[in-house]
Amino acid sequence: AQRVTQPEKLLSVFKGAPVELKCNYSYSGSPELFWYVQYSRQRLQLLLRHISRESIKGFTADLNKGETSFHLKKPFAQEEDSAMYYCALYTGNQFYFGTGTSLTVIP
Amino acid sequence: NAGVMQNPRHLVRRRGQEARLRCSPMKGHSHVYWYRQLPEEGLKFMVYLQKENIIDESGMPKERFSAEFPKEGPSILRIQQVVRGDSAAYFCASSPAGANSEQYFGPGTRLTVT
Repeated sequence: AQRVTQPEKLLSVFKGAPVELKCNYSYSGSPELFWYVQYSRQRLQLLLRHISRESIKGFTADLNKGETSFHLKKPFAQEEDSAMYYCALYTGNQFYFGTGTSLTVIP
Repeated sequence: NAGVMQNPRHLVRRRGQEARLRCSPMKGHSHVYWYRQLPEEGLKFMVYLQKENIIDESGMPKERFSAEFPKEGPSILRIQQVVRGDSAAYFCASSPAGANSEQYFGPGTRLTVT
């Protein structure tokens, strides 16, 4: 069955430190993966998608099919990165979302 | 463009009553998706609609839940005879094209069943 796992419910890092938000997926087909972000009092919005291979706000994510992972990384965390992050898997007819990781960047 | 609108933002219903949640997609978007978020859980897909058509309702409970997206007006998620377990946040998203394009989310409706 399709599943997205985000093992860390809460993650705190100091400003300037590297940050990695973990995401693992379970899907037998060819996955499309996304990261969505929800800042305080704002709506959920798309951060990046693996097919774009782009860096958004300093974040990157690489799809590792061998490890079935799509971890989100940023080398130097900023205070404005504090938010809720959701990993999502698209299987061709619907999205599956993880339970989210709440990131706090400590000044 | 005001973005995806959902109303009401908060809805309180007694057990057995009906809940109607509305979603107005972004202008120009003809695809609407409904998700449910239970406490301590992620977003769970419920239904995917295009104008006047249900494309995928595999995530919708078989009983008491229904959804529509009429030619005119907002998409409606209807829950009949609500139970305490229906208490959750319900999110709507819209996209201009198919399900693998970027989805724009509304602010959600928080349903509380007392």
